[in-house]
Amino acid sequence: ETGVTQSPTHLIKTRGQQVTLRCSSQSGHNTVSWYQQALGQGPQFIFQYYREEENGRGNFPPRFSGLQFPNYSSELNVNALELDDSALYLCASSLGSPQQETQYFGPGTRLLVL
Amino acid sequence: AQTVTQSQPEMSVQEAETVTLSCTYDTSENNYYLFWYKQPPSRQMILVIRQEAYKQQNATENRFSVNFQKAAKSFSLKISDSQLGDTAMYFCAFVYSGGGADGLTFGKGTHLIIQP
Repeated sequence: ETGVTQSPTHLIKTRGQQVTLRCSSQSGHNTVSWYQQALGQGPQFIFQYYREEENGRGNFPPRFSGLQFPNYSSELNVNALELDDSALYLCASSLGSPQQETQYFGPGTRLLVL
Repeated sequence: AQTVTQSQPEMSVQEAETVTLSCTYDTSENNYYLFWYKQPPSRQMILVIRQEAYKQQNATENRFSVNFQKAAKSFSLKISDSQLGDTAMYFCAFVYSGGGADGLTFGKGTHLIIQP
């Protein structure tokens, strides 16, 4: 166990809806990164938050947004859901810059868009 | 942009055998980190081993070791005395260490099956 938790574990939504996924970092970790893992693929980087500010983003549209709270927990919000958004969403926490420190992953949230 | 390639979609070996998983990457950077992560059916991504590019010595963690060839941009994982619990997806990943916030770049993974 890494100490990173995510909720919910599974979620079913319909196209066009909005969804919020949550992540609780490992104790003391101030950086959170979010990844999307489509079936049969490796995870793809969505964005990263450090001390409540987004400081890095992958190739995802603006309808993917996030927040990081003072306790370093985090949310991923996806608006106007599309069928291709069906995936496993992983969050990972690290102490300081993920470029220097290892990222520890949560168990993920499985999102199905119908 | 960096790319990570894992050319073996699936591998199967007998318990107690040694197995090597391949990974190549493409980058113009000189300072970076490489990782192997394991993802069992439970889905949680678990760090197996980490290698700093500036270190010539190959990283080892118990039964797990890497063969890091920087010039060839190759980073293979060797698992010795394989166990049933090693059955999982294995992902090779890269991150640039020189600043910015690009996140990890992953390969597509290798499904490793350990047969009893």
